[in-house]
Amino acid sequence: DILMTQSPSTLSASVGDRVTITCRASQTISRSLAWYQQRPGRAPKLLIYKASTLESGVPSRFSGSGSGTEFTLTISSLQPDDCATYYCLQYNSYLKTFGQGTKVEIK
Amino acid sequence: QLQVQESGPGLVKPSETLSLTCTVSGGSISSTGYFWGWIRQPPGKGMEWIGSFYDGGSTYYNPSLQNRVTISEDTSESQFSLRLHSITAADTAVYYCGRGRGYSGYGFPDFWGLGTQVTVSS
Repeated sequence: DILMTQSPSTLSASVGDRVTITCRASQTISRSLAWYQQRPGRAPKLLIYKASTLESGVPSRFSGSGSGTEFTLTISSLQPDDCATYYCLQYNSYLKTFGQGTKVEIK
Repeated sequence: QLQVQESGPGLVKPSETLSLTCTVSGGSISSTGYFWGWIRQPPGKGMEWIGSFYDGGSTYYNPSLQNRVTISEDTSESQFSLRLHSITAADTAVYYCGRGRGYSGYGFPDFWGLGTQVTVSS
């Protein structure tokens, strides 16, 4: 299995801050990485796929980068609506695996 | 607009078989370029890929669950189901169904249901 290590596990920042979340893969996955946002009681929502392609309808303050084994999700200006848990997922193989999640809180 | 909804018993006894159904509306489980599947999230733990089906009948199961899991589709009812046999407390989780974007099972989930809580207890 490809292990996805996501950090930090929790992040507290102020409105307007730039926020970065990192995912590292235990082996190269090219750019087969997606990011999801999950608010409490809601279904996970696709934000980014192919490491950096923004899903339709997702605000442009979200961006993704990386390839191979190291990837980042950046929120350029944190908004109150962004309080959620964020997950990365690798889909380079049939067995897709997730990072452990990053809970983003507003200070 | 696509909607998917999980349904099934919230409480299941150990050693029994868990059966969940995913009902799809606003889209077809026969559409080309998509696959459908299940994931779960045990309390306090990360998400786990259970398996998926694609291309009119092919399936992929997580090797850690392969001996106990079956995913099947009912195209006429726009539903697909998950059956997990010989369940234990370790199978307690929120179970999500959803759609994936890609061919032949490769790709990423792009739409999920709200999930259904399943507790395994006698």
